[in-house]
Amino acid sequence: GQSLEQPSEVTAVEGAIVQINCTYQTSGFYGLSWYQQHDGGAPTFLSYNALDGLEETGRFSSFLSRSDSYGYLLLQELQMKDSASYFCAVIDRGSTLGRLYFGRGTQLTVWP
Amino acid sequence: DGGITQSPKYLFRKEGQNVTLSCEQNLNHDAMYWYRQDPGQGLRLIYYSQIVNDFQKGDIAEGYSVSREKKESFPLTVTSAQKNPTAFYLCASSIQGENNEQFFGPGTRLTVL
Repeated sequence: GQSLEQPSEVTAVEGAIVQINCTYQTSGFYGLSWYQQHDGGAPTFLSYNALDGLEETGRFSSFLSRSDSYGYLLLQELQMKDSASYFCAVIDRGSTLGRLYFGRGTQLTVWP
Repeated sequence: DGGITQSPKYLFRKEGQNVTLSCEQNLNHDAMYWYRQDPGQGLRLIYYSQIVNDFQKGDIAEGYSVSREKKESFPLTVTSAQKNPTAFYLCASSIQGENNEQFFGPGTRLTVL
């Protein structure tokens, strides 16, 4: 089976940097994605890592270590609008390609 | 504008009634998905479909049914057999590629009274 662990809550102040960790267990890892969801809204895709290393997209970066079954999402220069839930999700090579398995999400609160 | 639409945004039903949630996409995506989200929970997969006239059960398919008669449409029926149907339902679609980015609709919040 698949399991993903991420912290349930993280808080930070505007302008700060925050890191949201995700550890996973899966029988056939293919890639790790991150999604953002504002309260009551639709999740939106942020990033994807299939290989070890850091992927940077503006203020957001995502890191993967396949050997440690670990990844993180790094948010820099935090803004109030970054307050949302963040989900990591794995694509499992063993399952039908395209199926995502989501973690329970991390609620990020950004304070002024 | 391309996207995914779900209707209605809020839905109320009496216990014991079946209800169908609509999901339409004009992104020309082959794959479509239905997820259920409960407070403080991640997204749990109910059903998914990779092509027209074909679909597979996800992790929590009991009490739900789907159809995929058209590429653009993937309606979900919540039947009276679903023991705890009150939840936020999200539909998504994707092109099956390397990162499998999924595009989500705005969701339907179903409340069963």
